[in-house]
Amino acid sequence: SSELTQDPAVSVALGQPVRITCQGASLRTYYATWYQQKPGQAPVLVIYGRNDRPSGIPDRFSGSSSGNTASLTITGAQAEDEADYYCSSRDTSGNHLVFGGGTKLTVL
Amino acid sequence: QVQLVESGGGVVQPGRSLRLSCGASGFTFSSYGMLWFRQAPGKGLEWVARIWYDASNAHYADSVKGRFTISRDNSKNTLYLKMNSLSAEDTAVYYCARALTGEATLADYWGQGTLVTVSS
Repeated sequence: SSELTQDPAVSVALGQPVRITCQGASLRTYYATWYQQKPGQAPVLVIYGRNDRPSGIPDRFSGSSSGNTASLTITGAQAEDEADYYCSSRDTSGNHLVFGGGTKLTVL
Repeated sequence: QVQLVESGGGVVQPGRSLRLSCGASGFTFSSYGMLWFRQAPGKGLEWVARIWYDASNAHYADSVKGRFTISRDNSKNTLYLKMNSLSAEDTAVYYCARALTGEATLADYWGQGTLVTVSS
């Protein structure tokens, strides 16, 4: 079982904001990392650290955290944002990495 | 540009071994920690192992500890994953990835993956 919990599916209307959440005890200590994965492709890093984006990731993607919950927000979802989103972090021991079960984002 | 190319996947019988390789280019391989992840068919991502830039430390997921070994040859810009005592539960696409942080806790570049199928 995953130590990080995500909603299995979220939908959003084109151009509207959407928040994807990730819950877990280790998030009180460690930042969440967010990956985007489209069908048949390798994951892509979208958010890491406090709220950092790799080069090439649009600024409509942002991250935040409060208590045991981390969030990925897309302000103005685009059709190309339709994908699976995974959160990841260290576990409470700090030595292992864990993933949430993933959230399938549908853009309507 | 950063490139990671996995190889060595295929069909293997339960209980047998397999070694995956990941060739790296476009960056100074010896300066970066590296990771292996996997994804079973239709399932989510799972972290497998990570190794420090100089191979001085490595950690494993509980599901593979004692069976899998991560290693690297910095002179060949290559990362390895030796997998022993394979079972059907190890069937997955295996991805190598470059670590963004020194302690290899997140990955900024991923390979395209290699499929390992454990079946008799």
